[in-house]
Amino acid sequence: GQQVMQIPQYQHVQEGEDFTTYCNSSTTLSNIQWYKQRPGGHPVFLIQLVKSGEVKKQKRLTFQFGEAKKNSSLHITATQTTDVGTYFCAGPRKTSYDKVIFGPGTSLSVIP
Amino acid sequence: DARVTQTPRHKVTEMGQEVTMRCQPILGHNTVFWYRQTMMQGLELLAYFRNRAPLDDSGMPKDRFSAEMPDATLATLKIQPSEPRDSAVYFCASGILTQGGETQYFGPGTRLLVL
Repeated sequence: GQQVMQIPQYQHVQEGEDFTTYCNSSTTLSNIQWYKQRPGGHPVFLIQLVKSGEVKKQKRLTFQFGEAKKNSSLHITATQTTDVGTYFCAGPRKTSYDKVIFGPGTSLSVIP
Repeated sequence: DARVTQTPRHKVTEMGQEVTMRCQPILGHNTVFWYRQTMMQGLELLAYFRNRAPLDDSGMPKDRFSAEMPDATLATLKIQPSEPRDSAVYFCASGILTQGGETQYFGPGTRLLVL
């Protein structure tokens, strides 16, 4: 069946350093979504990418969808302690009308 | 600000007891999801409803778990009988299906501890 993988599983960075997490799917995705979960909280939707090669920015966060629509990345510039949490990518199994499969997440720690 | 609500927020129970978790999806959303999250297994999809109809509950242990949507404003997840291995955070999420995809809005979760 379809698998969505993320690397790394954990990342510890010094405040101010950059951070990148990668998401890879075993099959082509019609879209990719990113969620953030703070410690003790619940996943919160960040963004959705639909087009091949699409790049979107939210302040210090840059999201990219691969040309083949099988991978995606989230890059954070100059991390802050507020960036701490687990970042999940998620994509529908076959079509955009199918249920979303979540990756295992990348847990980010920021050392002040 | 429309939000998904879940009750109870915390539940401590003894093994063998019935546990019922409730979720009120955001008004107008036509999909509802139940997830279980543990340190070991991460975020697991248990059940998925669209327009109140169950579409997929393959992730749910059928012998003890059941999920229903008696109406559009209420989704329930029951465990009977509960076991210590059911201890986890249970999230409900609702979403709207569009051509571009679906965004899920998660509730705050029910933190369940089965002793």
